[in-house]
Amino acid sequence: GESVGLHLPTLSVQEGDNSIINCAYSNSASDYFIWYKQESGKGPQFIIDIRSNMDKRQGQRVTVLLNKTVKHLSLQIAATQPGDSAVYFCAEKRGNTPLVFGKGTRLSVIA
Amino acid sequence: DTAVSQTPKYLVTQMGNDKSIKCEQNLGHDTMYWYKQDSKKFLKIMFSYNNKELIINETVPNRFSPKSPDKAHLNLHINSLELGDSAVYFCASSRGQINQPQHFGDGTRLSIL
Repeated sequence: GESVGLHLPTLSVQEGDNSIINCAYSNSASDYFIWYKQESGKGPQFIIDIRSNMDKRQGQRVTVLLNKTVKHLSLQIAATQPGDSAVYFCAEKRGNTPLVFGKGTRLSVIA
Repeated sequence: DTAVSQTPKYLVTQMGNDKSIKCEQNLGHDTMYWYKQDSKKFLKIMFSYNNKELIINETVPNRFSPKSPDKAHLNLHINSLELGDSAVYFCASSRGQINQPQHFGDGTRLSIL
């Protein structure tokens, strides 16, 4: 069936560097995408979302890029900080169908 | 104030027991959800309610019965608990079902002995 996945299960970056977390999706009909951050013992925390009519959206220190041609989604975190260490999930949706989560990428920030 | 709150945070019980998890949101959202996260961190939707009506039931065993007394609450009752029910259960809510982010509670860790 359709699925959302991540290229890298773990990512280690130096503090202050930029991080890029990638996500591939297989359903070309998906029209809404979300990135979540999950810290240990906490629930997924909304970071940023993007609709399929956009290819880029920026937030505070974060940027989401959507490439519909190759069905690829990425989350860029600028000047990565120790507090950014967490598991990051991409999720995709079509209309009012359920949100489908990817497997998650663990980001470790090295001080 | 916590936007989506679940109780209890931890639940340890024996196989065969019946237990409930409660969820409340103070965001004014009209759609609420239950998710299950397994030991590999995989998150999967179980149920979704919109204005107290069930709209999504993702092939969850009948032992799981959600109840929504009002738009701000969605409880989950589980009968005859099994070892495989051990997981973290997350409640979430959103304003509508389309193009709206879901906001999650901090989860209930259920451990079956």
